[in-house]
Amino acid sequence: GGIITQTPKFLIGQEGQKLTLKCQQNFNHDTMYWYRQDSGKGLRLIYYSITENDLQKGDLSEGYDASREKKSSFSLTVTSAQKNEMAVFLCASRQDAETLYFGSGTRLTVL
Amino acid sequence: QQQVRQSPQSLTVWEGETAILNCSYENSAFDYFPWYQQFPGEGPALLIAIRSVSDKKEDGGFTIFFNKREKNLSLHIKDSQPGDSATYFCAASKTGGYKVVFGSGTRLLVSP
Repeated sequence: GGIITQTPKFLIGQEGQKLTLKCQQNFNHDTMYWYRQDSGKGLRLIYYSITENDLQKGDLSEGYDASREKKSSFSLTVTSAQKNEMAVFLCASRQDAETLYFGSGTRLTVL
Repeated sequence: QQQVRQSPQSLTVWEGETAILNCSYENSAFDYFPWYQQFPGEGPALLIAIRSVSDKKEDGGFTIFFNKREKNLSLHIKDSQPGDSATYFCAASKTGGYKVVFGSGTRLLVSP
């Protein structure tokens, strides 16, 4: 078995601030994902990475940057936090089978 | 553009009843349809999945019914228990592809 660890669990930022979320997996999976979860809107894909150093934009990539410098880690940066923004950011990984394995999320609040 | 739609947004059933959650999709190229279950404070976890070559998949008290012609599917939770109270997401992807598209979820409450 393996685990996806997301840090921090809770993140409070100020408007305009640059914020970084981190994700580590020990499954040895090639593909990793960042999703944003808003109440009533489901999960929307921000970025995904097929392998180390690869980055692919999802449907919601504007306002975000991502980095995959190691196979085991995938970081997401909010380039300029929006006032009153509240969302949960979920990291996931996948190997050849279609199953996504998710972390427990980072809950972002912007004051 | 919402490629995967779920209904209802929320559903309340009594313990022992069958809960029915619906999902529809637009892209005919999708051929793999997993359902994920999410409890508060946790990430989603795979519950059950079906491929488009099948019209039914059962696992314990969970059954997916799939209609390729109509591009819709449903998740039936038989003999619902309070522990089944969670948010359920329908998702879709193409075999060999990397993008997984999720619906907006159905929040299920099973009342004792």
